[in-house]
Amino acid sequence: NAGVTQTPKFQVLKTGQSMTLQCAQDMNHEYMSWYRQDPGMGLRLIHYSVGAGITDQGEVPNGYNVSRSTTEDFPLRLLSAAPSQTSVYFCASSSGGALSGELFFGEGSRLTVL
Amino acid sequence: GNSVTQMEGPVTLSEEAFLTINCTYTATGYPSLFWYVQYPGEGLQLLLKATKADDKGSNKGFEATYRKETTSFHLEKGSVQVSDSAVYFCALSPLYNFNKFYFGSGTKLNVKP
Repeated sequence: NAGVTQTPKFQVLKTGQSMTLQCAQDMNHEYMSWYRQDPGMGLRLIHYSVGAGITDQGEVPNGYNVSRSTTEDFPLRLLSAAPSQTSVYFCASSSGGALSGELFFGEGSRLTVL
Repeated sequence: GNSVTQMEGPVTLSEEAFLTINCTYTATGYPSLFWYVQYPGEGLQLLLKATKADDKGSNKGFEATYRKETTSFHLEKGSVQVSDSAVYFCALSPLYNFNKFYFGSGTKLNVKP
């Protein structure tokens, strides 16, 4: 039972480099989202999707792009990494947003931008 | 706007002690409220939830009551165990947009034998 799978678990980038954080879920959930976790600030919503082909911005979308071509996958792209994007990133999915209330989280991806 | 405020941690308790972690919120209307728990090296897991005023969520000995008059959702447990050591997050999802979740900053709990 895989649940939500994130890759890579750790990544170090230089300023200006690009990369994609991968997220896949095998629960057939329509709702998927990306959060970043920073010390003292909890989790903040970056982008979310309510189904294939539909995405929307969260609290802190600047510097990040997403797309949702399939129900299973929701990659997060950093086009030009900045030190302020050093964080731990979590992908989460749900069968129905707050209608169910249960977000299923991946184990996280720790990103360091030098 | 929407926000969640949690008590600062870390909280250090001895095994079998009583636990309270305070959580207050600001939101338009009546949001759904949640507690999530994060064990070391893992993602967050739902601990309990309440979707309307005066509801009590409970799970694994933890409880929290949705208090609209004080805009609070405090987490309690009567007797903590070492295995409860984790970071606890309070969260809300607004009534008008339940695809967005707002999390507090988290409270780390350390339980000593």
